[in-house]
Amino acid sequence: EAQVTQNPRYLITVTGKKLTVTCSQNMNHEYMSWYRQDPGLGLRQIYYSMNVEVTDKGDVPEGYKVSRKEKRNFPLILESPSPNQTSLYFCASSFLAGDYNEQFFGPGTRLTVL
Amino acid sequence: AQSVAQPEDQVNVAEGNPLTVKCTYSVSGNPYLFWYVQYPNRGLQFLLKYITGDNLVKGSYGFEAEFNKSQTSFHLKKPSALVSDSALYFCAVRPMDSNYQLIWGAGTKLIIKP
Repeated sequence: EAQVTQNPRYLITVTGKKLTVTCSQNMNHEYMSWYRQDPGLGLRQIYYSMNVEVTDKGDVPEGYKVSRKEKRNFPLILESPSPNQTSLYFCASSFLAGDYNEQFFGPGTRLTVL
Repeated sequence: AQSVAQPEDQVNVAEGNPLTVKCTYSVSGNPYLFWYVQYPNRGLQFLLKYITGDNLVKGSYGFEAEFNKSQTSFHLKKPSALVSDSALYFCAVRPMDSNYQLIWGAGTKLIIKP
């Protein structure tokens, strides 16, 4: 089954404790992206990647890191989480070429930073 | 600045009635336009897109959307609403010069009452 998986789905942590949210897709998509969703703000892009070893900042990259060492994986790293990073996070992927560029989303990771 | 507006935070419709969820955009050129749906505790799912051609596009679950270039709108419609259509709906726009990035609306909560 074609899908984007994220782990963990729920995470409660404390300020300053490094964490990683994993994202993996099995559709051979070139493009991957991380978003955060906050009430009334819609989706805001954190980072994106056009292909392996190619990453770039989105609209709200502060406090986050990413890497793209393999095509299928795109982990999101919070080196020192703070309470304002409490949010619902989504990973998404898509093809780049032609019309096949609707994004496929993972199920989301609900993060609470105390 | 380029933007996408969903002017209604919430839309209430009686089951069986037609529904419309509004989206207007302000971007340069001829963008790609998308609608996504988010059911409770789920990731976003692609509904439909407009790339070019017929202004009325059909998508999943009986939804359709009408592109209006002069009004820069892309309203989502369904002739007869179902209770199961209750969800959060997002409009997204990909400007042609965007490096594949999407600009997202804030979302509209659709409530279908029996």
